[in-house]
Amino acid sequence: AQSVTQLDSQVPVFEEAPVELRCNYSSSVSVYLFWYVQYPNQGLQLLLKYLSGSTLVKGINGFEAEFNKSQTSFHLRKPSVHISDTAEYFCAVSGRSFGNEKLTFGTGTRLTIIP
Amino acid sequence: NAGVTQTPKFQVLKTGQSMTLQCAQDMNHNSMYWYRQDPGMGLRLIYYSASEGTTDKGEVPNGYNVSRLNKREFSLRLESAAPSQTSVYFCASNWGSPLSEAFFGQGTRLTVV
Repeated sequence: AQSVTQLDSQVPVFEEAPVELRCNYSSSVSVYLFWYVQYPNQGLQLLLKYLSGSTLVKGINGFEAEFNKSQTSFHLRKPSVHISDTAEYFCAVSGRSFGNEKLTFGTGTRLTIIP
Repeated sequence: NAGVTQTPKFQVLKTGQSMTLQCAQDMNHNSMYWYRQDPGMGLRLIYYSASEGTTDKGEVPNGYNVSRLNKREFSLRLESAAPSQTSVYFCASNWGSPLSEAFFGQGTRLTVV
């Protein structure tokens, strides 16, 4: 079985400050990792994904994430946040083995930007 | 580009009533999913359909049924609604591969009183 832990349920950040949203995963098989963003009253949309190769992946809106296999982490970062980044962010994992192909989501981190 | 379309967007039910949530995708995806989103619990998989003609239980299937009507449409039915089913429901679709990005609908906010 696989699981995802997002330790921070809420993160307040001042506008133009950097932010890191933490994600740790657990799986007995190789995984694929995703970050999704949910703006208020909308569905989820893909921010970025790690499938293989370079451990630093870049996504939309200036976000990036680093896959760290030894620490089983996939933290999301942005060097300077904007008011429009206010949203809920979900880390998700899928696995390569039968029965683990479906996405498993974390509980989400609500990012609030303070003007 | 409609993507994934869910209806209705909002619904209030009385305990014991039934209803069907509709979902349609226009991306020719093989797999479709129903999730529920509750505060502090993230998204939990209710049912999924890996391909037309197949459906399987997810993490929280009790109290729900699904129908994969054709490749485009995947409906979720509540036979006898309970207050514990008050939630936001999302339909999603993708190609079915674990590498494949999931595309989500706008959600249905359901309240059971």
